[in-house]
Amino acid sequence: EVQLVESGGGLVQPGGSLRLSCAASGFSFSNYAMAWVRQAPGKGLEWVSGISGSTYYADSVKGRFTISRDNSKNTLYLQMNSLRAEDTAIYYCAKGQGRTSYWFDPWGQGTLVTVSS
Amino acid sequence: DIQMTQSPSSLSASVGDRVTITCRASQGIGNYLAWYQQKPGKVPKLLIYAASTLQSGVPSRFSGGGSGTDFTLTISSLQPEDVATYYCQKYNSAPFTFGPGTKVDVK
Repeated sequence: EVQLVESGGGLVQPGGSLRLSCAASGFSFSNYAMAWVRQAPGKGLEWVSGISGSTYYADSVKGRFTISRDNSKNTLYLQMNSLRAEDTAIYYCAKGQGRTSYWFDPWGQGTLVTVSS
Repeated sequence: DIQMTQSPSSLSASVGDRVTITCRASQGIGNYLAWYQQKPGKVPKLLIYAASTLQSGVPSRFSGGGSGTDFTLTISSLQPEDVATYYCQKYNSAPFTFGPGTKVDVK
């Protein structure tokens, strides 16, 4: 069974940093694209970043967030710097389909990031 | 960047009704479109990929269609458990944008 478990969320002040992790199991992690998708309170889904052989970012986070993966640990990361109030959201880790296919199944349970002073 | 829109933004229908949601891309995306269902308080779930391919385990009352810029998600006979917000998503190239969502309720 494929499992994705996010961690690392929490309360951080504006301008601060946070690193999210997503532990994956049940599939050959290195062979799949992975992504982060977020959802602000009461709002819709927003794709944030993806990684396969290349990395991709939404304009809203480009230059502030860095996606990476450690295939030896089956873990996906999102380093978030210069955080803003508008980054407050549940952050979901999601598995792509194949090495370069960015439609997502399944999703993790999410980790909440709150940016506030 | 390609923009994704959905209509309507919300709808209310009776059990057994046929419901259709439209997703439009500002430029052609072939059939690189997925649909997701998010029930209140739950994690999004994949329903359809490649515009019309039903994900394993998804009830057959759900169907998808379209290509290029115009796509549809149809629920042939609405059930109480279908109360959710439905999102389309393009995946032909980055950014892998989601539509704003359509909230479906049962009268």
